[in-house]
Amino acid sequence: DVKVTQSSRYLVKRTGEKVFLECVQDMDHENMFWYRQDPGLGLRLIYFSYDVKMKEKGDIPEGYSVSREKKERFSLILESASTNQTSMYLCASSFRGMGNQPQHFGDGTRLSIL
Amino acid sequence: QKEVEQNSGPLSVPEGAIASLNCTYSDRGSQSFFWYRQYSGKSPELIMFIYSNGDKEDGRFTAQLNKASQYVSLLIRDSQPSDSATYLCAVANSGYALNFGKGTSLLVTP
Repeated sequence: DVKVTQSSRYLVKRTGEKVFLECVQDMDHENMFWYRQDPGLGLRLIYFSYDVKMKEKGDIPEGYSVSREKKERFSLILESASTNQTSMYLCASSFRGMGNQPQHFGDGTRLSIL
Repeated sequence: QKEVEQNSGPLSVPEGAIASLNCTYSDRGSQSFFWYRQYSGKSPELIMFIYSNGDKEDGRFTAQLNKASQYVSLLIRDSQPSDSATYLCAVANSGYALNFGKGTSLLVTP
């Protein structure tokens, strides 16, 4: 079975802090994704990566950055956390290919910014 | 903007009935289609995927794809209360990412 592990299930931070969300997958997947999910807005893509050190902006990249130094690990960084970044953050991974492979999700991190 | 539309529901069906969930998409070039189930407070879980026109069955689940009409459906036979969840439709276009619908809430009543 595919295992996508997110470092924290719940996280509370303060405005202005730099926040790191970590995601590790054990299936040697090339593609990795970060989404946020908010009530009424559905899943929105923040960033994705199709290879080590490669990254592409998604639909809502403002206020976020990412890092992919190793194939199995994809980090999401909130440069200066703000209250409107309070959300559920979901990491996903898939095999190489242009979206024709299913994505597998981690358990999610519920982040609260106070 | 490539749209994936789902009725938000809730769709309420009695236990043992067939639940029918529908999804329409705007990009005629869409290649692959996925159904995810998401329980409240949990992450999406892949149920099925379908690439070709027609039906694909897996246990109690059947995915139906009609590319000419640009819709994909998920049928759940013999619905159980444990099927109560939000079902997300996702569509692959030409890029790496999937486009997700906002989901349909299904409630199976005993």
